[in-house]
Amino acid sequence: QQQVKQSPQSLIVQKGGISIINCAYENTAFDYFPWYQQFPGKGPALLIAIRPDVSEKKEGRFTISFNKSAKQFSLHIMDSQPGDSATYFCAALYSSASKIIFGSGTRLSIRP
Amino acid sequence: DVKVTQSSRYLVKRTGEKVFLECVQDMDHENMFWYRQDPGLGLRLIYFSYDVKMKEKGDIPEGYSVSREKKERFSLILESASTNQTSMYLCASSRQGRQPQHFGDGTRLSIL
Repeated sequence: QQQVKQSPQSLIVQKGGISIINCAYENTAFDYFPWYQQFPGKGPALLIAIRPDVSEKKEGRFTISFNKSAKQFSLHIMDSQPGDSATYFCAALYSSASKIIFGSGTRLSIRP
Repeated sequence: DVKVTQSSRYLVKRTGEKVFLECVQDMDHENMFWYRQDPGLGLRLIYFSYDVKMKEKGDIPEGYSVSREKKERFSLILESASTNQTSMYLCASSRQGRQPQHFGDGTRLSIL
């Protein structure tokens, strides 16, 4: 019930393509869903986040799509660039708790 | 900008030693966290703290302890280091509620 399942484990996309990473959760008490981006040698950094009362949130080339009934959410990276190559983690938390549940991560490589 | 500073980027210790990893945050955050990150296993929560002198076990607390004597500082202690504790250790902090976690850049710890 506490898990967040993330797929794929790794992804290779051509420059200019769309990168899609999917996550699924079970606990309906989760009420905040952030995505983190991690470059080699650095800690994860918040990329974009969504609350379950919204079905989509867009920031530049990054979009989160949220399907509350299916308990799934996904990250779309439009016009993917080599600089987007990183590991991406989805996550979920509920505001009465202090800790975040992380997905297992997706290593994204953008081919020039 | 939130800054989470981990005292060492790289650390090499010997089996059986007592090891201290230090983390300081400068944003007066209530919550602080310690994770370890291993290839293929994502981020695993070791301990977290939601207030000074308060601590709670995460998913993998065995072999570790923590100390939070001041709000801005959270220490992870390996009581008797073992080779299976070789890993990347990440510290994070956040405010209470639906708030993102902010990460340091990690300490890569090798136990020989």
